[in-house]
Amino acid sequence: KAGVTQTPRYLIKTRGQQVTLSCSPISGHRSVSWYQQTPGQGLQFLFEYFSETQRNKGNFPGRFSGRQFSNSRSEMNVSTLELGDSALYLCASSLTGRTSGANVLTFGAGSRLTVL
Amino acid sequence: GIQVEQSPPDLILQEGANSTLRCNFSDSVNNLQWFHQNPWGQLINLFYIPSGTKQNGRLSATTVATERYSLLYISSSQTTDSGVYFCAVARISGGYNKLIFGAGTRLAVHP
Repeated sequence: KAGVTQTPRYLIKTRGQQVTLSCSPISGHRSVSWYQQTPGQGLQFLFEYFSETQRNKGNFPGRFSGRQFSNSRSEMNVSTLELGDSALYLCASSLTGRTSGANVLTFGAGSRLTVL
Repeated sequence: GIQVEQSPPDLILQEGANSTLRCNFSDSVNNLQWFHQNPWGQLINLFYIPSGTKQNGRLSATTVATERYSLLYISSSQTTDSGVYFCAVARISGGYNKLIFGAGTRLAVHP
């Protein structure tokens, strides 16, 4: 059973550019969540999608957006990149999120973004 | 929001030693998971344990929900156990999948 797949694994951008990261969840999982990890702020929740709808959102500016497709694959986009957006972006998937045991989050290997 | 505190922040062990990592949380939770982050950044799920005790090989975990803490035990540590261990929690009102992470315990196991 394939795990959570994130692409690209590494990327370098310059300030002002935009970036799109992709996440393919485990087959059958319908919930996809995104997290940002930085040395200063640790792991922070960005947003969660379920059945193509954003169900939860963290405290991030509107430059951070996402979407989920009908096959549960998800993308997140960061526009007008800032130096502080340099981080490891982690995607996690789970079955549904509303039932005990079905709520275990499995993470991908992450996309490491460097903004110069 | 919920506060999650992990201790100790850093831990250095000799191979074969045992250790206990602690996670305190400030409010009742419906989801608690322990993760191990390897040197390449991958978060590996160790336990889903909102309450009770579970064991998986050399690792075990106990969550006492009424007292708002969880413990992760590592026995007979190996160098491959090195990395950062995170505790993460969530509650229904905040959304089941909106995990709040602690700052982590950085573990180094030396041969």
